[in-house]
Amino acid sequence: DQQVKQNSPSLSVQEGRISILNCDYTNSMFDYFLWYKKYPAEGPTFLISISSIKDKNEDGRFTVFLNKSAKHLSLHIVPSQPGDSAVYFCAAVRGSTLGRLYFGRGTQLTVWP
Amino acid sequence: DAGVIQSPRHEVTEMGQEVTLRCKPISGHNSLFWYRQTMMRGLELLIYFNNNVPIDDSGMPEDRFSAKMPNASFSTLKIQPSEPRDSAVYFCASSPAGSPLHFGNGTRLTVT
Repeated sequence: DQQVKQNSPSLSVQEGRISILNCDYTNSMFDYFLWYKKYPAEGPTFLISISSIKDKNEDGRFTVFLNKSAKHLSLHIVPSQPGDSAVYFCAAVRGSTLGRLYFGRGTQLTVWP
Repeated sequence: DAGVIQSPRHEVTEMGQEVTLRCKPISGHNSLFWYRQTMMRGLELLIYFNNNVPIDDSGMPEDRFSAKMPNASFSTLKIQPSEPRDSAVYFCASSPAGSPLHFGNGTRLTVT
C-alpha cells in the first residue's frame, strides 16, 4: 500500500517558468516531509523539507507547501532551469527517525530551453 | 567529504549465487540505511542501523537477505541465494541523528 503518492510520472516545463510537483499522502501520522532530487546513475539528494507544524518553507528557488487537511504537499521551483531536470521524490516520515522514509514513486521533471 | 561510498556499482550474477553489497557511510554519521529501488515498489527501506545496531529490519524481504554493520565505517547487505526478482538498485544512506539522509550512488544488481 503506497502511503505517499506522486500521481504525475512526468512534467515538462519551459526554462524560466514555474514547475509545480505534487504529492499526496494517506497516513495522518506523518509529521515531516522531504523532497529529494535524483539524477541518473546517482543517489537521491536532499532538497528541502517541511515540518507538519508549518505550511510553507522556502529555500531560494524552491518552496514547499503543505496542506495537512488535504494531505497534500507541493514543490514549487521558480524560475525553472535546465539543470533542474531530474526525478523528484516526495518522502514522509513519522516522528524523529528521518531514515524511516516512505517515498513516492517520483516525478521526472524536464526543463527545456 | 567523499560521501557515502557503495561497491560494486554494478553486479551481474546468476540465480543461486551469493551477492554481497558494501557500503562506507560518511564519517561521523551514526545512522545507516539500506534502501532498494524497483519498478514495482519504488524506493523502500530494507533495514537501518543506529550506532551499528540494527533498529528496524522489517523491510528485509526474506531470510535470504541479511545485513551487518561490524563497525561505524562499514556495512554489508548479503543475498544468499539470489533470485531474479532481487534485481534492483540498492542504495545505502547515512545521516547524523535527526538529519536528512545522504545517499550513495547505488549498486545496480542483475540476477539472471
